Amino acid sequence: NSKVIQTPRYLVKGQGQKAKMRCIPEKGHPVVFWYQQNKNNEFKFLINFQNQEVLQQIDMTEKRFSAECPSNSPCSLEIQSSEAGDSALYLCASSLQNSGNTLYFGEGSRLIVV
Amino acid sequence: SQLAEENLWALSVHEGESVTVNCSYKTSITALQWYRQKSGEGPAQLILIRSNEREKRNGRLRATLDTSSQSSSLSITATRCEDTAVYFCATDSLTGGGRALIFGTGTTVSVSP
Repeated sequence: NSKVIQTPRYLVKGQGQKAKMRCIPEKGHPVVFWYQQNKNNEFKFLINFQNQEVLQQIDMTEKRFSAECPSNSPCSLEIQSSEAGDSALYLCASSLQNSGNTLYFGEGSRLIVV
Repeated sequence: SQLAEENLWALSVHEGESVTVNCSYKTSITALQWYRQKSGEGPAQLILIRSNEREKRNGRLRATLDTSSQSSSLSITATRCEDTAVYFCATDSLTGGGRALIFGTGTTVSVSP
């Protein structure tokens, strides 16, 4: 059973709509990662945080995606204007360290953009 | 480009048989991890093997690492139906100010009764 909690499990959005997903990392884990997994099982790293600070993010994330990990609140990933190509499973993972450590994943939020 | 990739898309075995998934990678690594993702679930780590280790075991699982050929394998013995899943290898990649775990495209293992 995942100790990383992601909500919602599914969301359906029209093109141009906002899509927001939330993640509660495992207790005591300061590092949070967001990945996008497409229908071919390919992972794309989007962004990671250590506590509330962004460690690294890809270009796509900088432009249309916004993410935050406020203290005492769930982390979130929001797509400002959904596109068909954003349809995917969005996975949140937490870890004790930024590298060389186990990632603990949630069950994901599946986004369908129609 | 893929920094880590499994060599086969899919494997099918019968319960009780052994199965091996192979992975190759293209950069120097500090560690390689194997994850399993069952249908409808997020990935779960099976084994983490560091660059100075050659073999690691976890119950019915055995991972090997060959840094000279930049390859790894994950073997499962006495397979069970519940081993049916997609298996990924993953390596650290130094990008920007930190490291993000890079996953291969996965090998689907199907175990039938």
